[in-house]
Amino acid sequence: AQSVAQPEDQVNVAEGNPLTVKCTYSVSGNPYLFWYVQYPNRGLQFLLKYITGDNLVKGSYGFEAEFNKSQTSFHLKKPSALVSDSALYFCAVRDNTGNQFYFGTGTSLTVIP
Amino acid sequence: DVKVTQSSRYLVKRTGEKVFLECVQDMDHENMFWYRQDPGLGLRLIYFSYDVKMKEKGDIPEGYSVSREKKERFSLILESASTNQTSMYLCASSGQARYGYTFGSGTRLTVV
Repeated sequence: AQSVAQPEDQVNVAEGNPLTVKCTYSVSGNPYLFWYVQYPNRGLQFLLKYITGDNLVKGSYGFEAEFNKSQTSFHLKKPSALVSDSALYFCAVRDNTGNQFYFGTGTSLTVIP
Repeated sequence: DVKVTQSSRYLVKRTGEKVFLECVQDMDHENMFWYRQDPGLGLRLIYFSYDVKMKEKGDIPEGYSVSREKKERFSLILESASTNQTSMYLCASSGQARYGYTFGSGTRLTVV
């Protein structure tokens, strides 16, 4: 069965420090992996995705994520956090045969000035 | 710019009312989805549709129904609204598996 785990409900980081938001997944077949961000009272916005190819993918707003097949992980990273990065982040997986996404429960990121 | 449009950002309804949440996409996507989002529970799939006039139950369909008469429109119906249906409702659409979902801005529904 497909599933996604985000082990941290809350991540706090100081402005200017690197940030990591963790995600692990379970899927049959080859995974398509995604990160979305949600600002208060808004829908989810696409950040980046891994389909195939280079394990390090770069996305919007300076974010990047590393696909690790052996650890079944897809952690979101940014070298230097901004206060404006404070938001709710969702990891999602989709297998290459299906139409449905499976979402993690979300991680609330707070960047402290 | 491609869009998924949800008809209302905020909605207040009374218990027992029939509520319609509308979602329209302009990307010619086959797949459309309705989720509800609650604190600590993440996104939970209510219903989805892979084609016109077709629907599939998600994880929490009780108390809801859907309609997809046209490809671009997917409506969520609360037959008799209850206070436990107070939530953020998110519509999404998608094309091929390699592409992600596109989400609407959400409708925050309060049932009083």
